[in-house]
Amino acid sequence: SQQGEEDPQALSIQEGENATMNCSYKTSINNLQWYRQNSGRGLVHLILIRSNEREKHSGRLRVTLDTSKKSSSLLITASRAADTASYFCATAGGETSGSRLTFGEGTQLTVNP
Amino acid sequence: DTEVTQTPKHLVMGMTNKKSLKCEQHMGHRAMYWYKQKAKKPPELMFVYSYEKLSINESVPSRFSPECPNSSLLNLHLHALQPEDSALYLCASSQGGRKGGYTFGSGTRLTVV
Repeated sequence: SQQGEEDPQALSIQEGENATMNCSYKTSINNLQWYRQNSGRGLVHLILIRSNEREKHSGRLRVTLDTSKKSSSLLITASRAADTASYFCATAGGETSGSRLTFGEGTQLTVNP
Repeated sequence: DTEVTQTPKHLVMGMTNKKSLKCEQHMGHRAMYWYKQKAKKPPELMFVYSYEKLSINESVPSRFSPECPNSSLLNLHLHALQPEDSALYLCASSQGGRKGGYTFGSGTRLTVV
């Protein structure tokens, strides 16, 4: 079974605008990760935030985590057409090798030139 | 080498065929995973190998048989599949610990006819 939901399911914006995607989860976690998937391809790891962290940045990406609300958000600033992809949050219950990683339903982002 | 390599990229097989999917990584990761992904859905965990031992089987039907010959290789043997097993099969590996991000292969697009 999947861990939770992502919101919105689809998002269409213009190049240069910011994109915000939200993720909710149900169980306690060790960390939460965000991945990008271009159509029909493998997933690319974007960023990991631990349960004791509240915010993390990586280039144009900003991730927040609110463990009291069991939610996370991914902000992509100054979006580009190349950012068009599906974005998934995924939660891990542990940090050891072989921990189960469970994905949310994903957000399809379209960035129009 | 920072990649997970999956072969073949595409596979069409009949319901009476036996085939194998292969996955290889040379990053020294000690955990390897098989995920199944249907169109417009998130990846679903099938199997986890940790230190070459099967640690998680998500109640996958026996027509899917995983094998981990060594720490760099992961196979998925397929036999007597059904058309509903058609999907993108993704292999991933992870180091665990504080570097918890997973590295995914590009996947094998499987069609069962």
